[in-house]
Amino acid sequence: EAGVTQSPRYAVLQEGQAVSFWCDPISGHDTLYWYQQPRDQGPQLLVYFRDEAVIDNSQLPSDRFSAVRPKGTNSTLKIQSAKQGDTATYLCASSDWGGFQDTLYFGAGTRLSVL
Amino acid sequence: QQKVQQSPESLTVSEGAMASLNCTFSDGTSNNFRWYRQHSAKGLEVLVSIFSDGEKEEGRFTAHLNRANLHVSLHIREPQPSDSAVYLCAVSPNSGGSNAKLTFGKGTKLSVKS
Repeated sequence: EAGVTQSPRYAVLQEGQAVSFWCDPISGHDTLYWYQQPRDQGPQLLVYFRDEAVIDNSQLPSDRFSAVRPKGTNSTLKIQSAKQGDTATYLCASSDWGGFQDTLYFGAGTRLSVL
Repeated sequence: QQKVQQSPESLTVSEGAMASLNCTFSDGTSNNFRWYRQHSAKGLEVLVSIFSDGEKEEGRFTAHLNRANLHVSLHIREPQPSDSAVYLCAVSPNSGGSNAKLTFGKGTKLSVKS
């Protein structure tokens, strides 16, 4: 069974540039999560979807960050006008929405550096 | 707001010696506890999930949960150099959609020397 796939693996930007991250979850998983993990920190949830619907995006800096999952499968996270403070690893995870005991499966992440 | 703290920040053990990692949390009603491992440049891999007080074993990894003491630990039996990684504790409250409410600690960096 294929795991969660993310691309690109690395991105280096100047401040003010835009970048998009792509995630392909495990087949059949209806719930998809985006996390931000600054260096030497634990992952912090940005947004999550059930199918194509956004369930919670309260932690997403909405003025510059956006996330979509139009067909309830793949998802894209975009940062407009990146700032140095956005430097972090962006992780995508997926799960079955069956109950609280469901396991989150994570992709390898995209490591973003904003210069 | 849930606070999750891990100790020690880093740990070095010899191959074959037991490795013990600690995690404390602030919300005593939490009922969803997971230990993840993160190798450099790789995603998080779940090691053990535990939902009630006591012990849960998955291969060489054993989690101990004591909610009265707000403490969950991970013990790695016979660690190998390939176990060198960052270990993350994640805790979630007793509520719907709790996977999305997982709060992660900052991690313990484990080095296993041969």
